Amino acid sequence: NAGVMQNPRHLVRRRGQEARLRCSPMKGHSHVYWYRQLPEEGLKFMVYLQKENIIDESGMPKERFSAEFPKEGPSILRIQQVVRGDSAAYFCASSGTSGRLENEQYFGPGTRLTVT
Amino acid sequence: GNSVTQMEGPVTLSEEAFLTINCTYTATGYPSLFWYVQYPGEGLQLLLKATKADDKGSNKGFEATYRKETTSFHLEKGSVQVSDSAVYFCALVGMDSSYKLIFGSGTRLLVRP
Repeated sequence: NAGVMQNPRHLVRRRGQEARLRCSPMKGHSHVYWYRQLPEEGLKFMVYLQKENIIDESGMPKERFSAEFPKEGPSILRIQQVVRGDSAAYFCASSGTSGRLENEQYFGPGTRLTVT
Repeated sequence: GNSVTQMEGPVTLSEEAFLTINCTYTATGYPSLFWYVQYPGEGLQLLLKATKADDKGSNKGFEATYRKETTSFHLEKGSVQVSDSAVYFCALVGMDSSYKLIFGSGTRLLVRP
């Protein structure tokens, strides 16, 4: 049973380019979450999506960042016109439900974005 | 707002030593509490959890007890192994959200043979 898949594992972009990060949730999971981990810090919530819906994007920067989870295919986190401060590890997690007591989020291995 | 504070690392121990990693939280009501572990180059794995006061979560020899009176959820293990070397994150989900994990900054553990 494959876990949460993320690709690429490492991504290098020059300032001003676009970064596109992909996440395939665990089989049977329809809830996807993106977190960002800055160097030497804990993970910070960015966005929660269900198929074709953004449920909560309260942790997303207002500009340059967007996320989607289409009916078919992986969830995509897109960062336009990257800057050095976007360099971080981006983790995707998925769950089968969003109920507080039942919810267990399974994390992918992360994408480490480096902006040069 | 909700927050988690954990002891700074790195924590360096010899094999078979006793481990404690302190974690305290700030939250209204009764959040759910978690410990996640991150091995080098990997994503986070849920280690244990507790959802109400005085609950004890346990897994793989690790334990943590939900202490409402001290707002703490300290991680302990009686005898660490080299394979326990990793970064440990304390986290909570507050009563205002069913899914938004709030993490501490992580504590790196290094166990020497």
